[in-house]
Amino acid sequence: AQTVTQSQPEMSVQEAETVTLSCTYDTSESDYYLFWYKQPPSRQMILVIRQEAYKQQNATENRFSVNFQKAAKSFSLKISDSQLGDAAMYFCAYVGGSQGNLIFGKGTKLSVKP
Amino acid sequence: EAGVVQSPRYKIIEKKQPVAFWCNPISGHNTLYWYRQNLGQGPELLIRYENEEAVDDSQLPKDRFSAERLKGVDSTLKIQPAELGDSAVYLCASSLTNWGETQYFGPGTRLLVL
Repeated sequence: AQTVTQSQPEMSVQEAETVTLSCTYDTSESDYYLFWYKQPPSRQMILVIRQEAYKQQNATENRFSVNFQKAAKSFSLKISDSQLGDAAMYFCAYVGGSQGNLIFGKGTKLSVKP
Repeated sequence: EAGVVQSPRYKIIEKKQPVAFWCNPISGHNTLYWYRQNLGQGPELLIRYENEEAVDDSQLPKDRFSAERLKGVDSTLKIQPAELGDSAVYLCASSLTNWGETQYFGPGTRLLVL
């Protein structure tokens, strides 16, 4: 069965600094997608970034980028120039094989200090 | 473009009472998902629809949970009777198609069973 592991329950970063959130996953599939979702307190989950496993190039979205290491099954999220609005729960998620639903990690709570 | 709409946003009921949640997906999205998110955890799939067909309901507790998606658009998730352990946030998501497409989430319904 596919699993997603986020080993950092909480992280903290100073405003304007850079932080990296870790994610590892386990799958026997060769074709899959990986996602980072952001869930602010009491607000809905929104997509941060999406990575297609067959693409070697790391996805980027403005201040957000990933380090996708397919062989190591690692998918970390880097947030540059952190802003107060980045404070939220961040979930790493996987979809692949015959399933269509997302498999989520337990999340990392990110705090941003002014 | 309107996002995924869910109602109600909050619901407090006593155990053994019935409860229903409603979801309206993004227009044109064929795939609809219901997830349950327990406190401090990532969401877990309850049921996935392709148009009006439930294609994955393996995680739905069928003794008390039921769902429908009439005409392949709106969906309703019902719990009868509710138990204390059903307290959670129920999330609805939709995507254009199934595999690998970005899933867009609604704001969720926060259920508290007393």
